Amino acid sequence: QKEVEQDPGPLSVPEGAIVSLNCTYSNSAFQYFMWYRQYSRKGPELLMYTYSSGNKEDGRFTAQVDKSSKYISLFIRDSQPSDSATYLCAFTSGTYKYIFGTGTRLKVLA
Amino acid sequence: DTGVSQNPRHKITKRGQNVTFRCDPISEHNRLYWYRQTLGQGPEFLTYFQNEAQLEKSRLLSDRFSAERPKGSFSTLEIQRTEQGDSAMYLCASSFPSGIGTGELFFGEGSRLTVL
Repeated sequence: QKEVEQDPGPLSVPEGAIVSLNCTYSNSAFQYFMWYRQYSRKGPELLMYTYSSGNKEDGRFTAQVDKSSKYISLFIRDSQPSDSATYLCAFTSGTYKYIFGTGTRLKVLA
Repeated sequence: DTGVSQNPRHKITKRGQNVTFRCDPISEHNRLYWYRQTLGQGPEFLTYFQNEAQLEKSRLLSDRFSAERPKGSFSTLEIQRTEQGDSAMYLCASSFPSGIGTGELFFGEGSRLTVL
């Protein structure tokens, strides 16, 4: 079983739609849960992070963590064409080793 | 621009040649990481430095790969006798202790290697 599972997509949605991106993980030692956004031919940039179960909101973005199910989600409200990118979930147990998902490619159509 | 800087951005080489990539981290960051990313995959951990000390090397790094961070500033990643399977994006990141583990990772734009 892979340590992190993420649907690679691609996911195409119309502008204004609500987008749901998900990852599952198997390592109970993970303590920090992150979402990175990566535009084409660029390095990833941190979007959101959390270390507890529940929801965390930042503007149009909501990160959700369910530790009991080992499942994390990222919701994007009122999606924009500028949100078109690859979204990577990432995890760490608190050490220097960060484990990334394969990324989900998102395309928001104008 | 005070972000993470990587050079060269793209390197095309023939199989068997040696290549070296350089990473200049954000100046106050004492932690530096190298990751490798292939098409359709997420970044995979290669190695980690805290100041000048290399604390871990992934088993993905064969003995053809070597990384250094002299004086705890910039870092170099050298690949000797390149193989076609080495073709990938090599990402450097740096961090400073913060609310996430050993710190939020700030990535450079990557160095893309193409081995012909």
